[in-house]
Amino acid sequence: ETGVTQTPRHLVMGMTNKKSLKCEQHLGHNAMYWYKQSAKKPLELMFVYSLEERVENNSVPSRFSPECPNSSHLFLHLHTLQPEDSALYLCASSLTRTSTYEQYFGPGTRLTVT
Amino acid sequence: DQQVKQNSPSLSVQEGRISILNCDYTNSMFDYFLWYKKYPAEGPTFLISISSIKDKNEDGRFTVFLNKSAKHLSLHIVPSQPGDSAVYFCAASVGSGGSNYKLTFGKGTLLTVNP
Repeated sequence: ETGVTQTPRHLVMGMTNKKSLKCEQHLGHNAMYWYKQSAKKPLELMFVYSLEERVENNSVPSRFSPECPNSSHLFLHLHTLQPEDSALYLCASSLTRTSTYEQYFGPGTRLTVT
Repeated sequence: DQQVKQNSPSLSVQEGRISILNCDYTNSMFDYFLWYKKYPAEGPTFLISISSIKDKNEDGRFTVFLNKSAKHLSLHIVPSQPGDSAVYFCAASVGSGGSNYKLTFGKGTLLTVNP
């Protein structure tokens, strides 16, 4: 499989659950990103990893915990979420962490917190 | 405070005509601009970009125009095709410095091209 893949595509979880979102890229890229898109809001950058090192944490609450075990995989661990965290979570990758290299997005995980 | 604004949530055009999608920005430090297209159930895909040293960039049916003095850019699609129906996002970044991976996105414009 090529490109950027995300699993699961849909997730419903209660506020006390712990779940993880997974992202995988097969493009040989060195930078990976997590974005959040809430209803009627622009995409918001959450985290950036470059060569497996976190280089950006955009004031994201600690109930979201990213992990990048290698340059091909990125996880977003979720625990004790709130209903307002319901959103589309998009993963992206790029060759390096510069905007002049286009970011390739996965299809997203639609998260609903009940 | 939104730094990148797409004031038209939707646009409808006839096949074969020109589609013009607009984007305004407030941060004068932005110097690199991108357009992404998104189909339902898919992630955004890169379409075209422009650096602030240019005022126009063309790629096939797609042309982006940048007016720095007005802090305005537009995407022209001509001729429009039904397959162009999608949500179009404008994004901007500060190209220099260490944070140029940070893309600031607009809310998007839904383009519908009618056969």
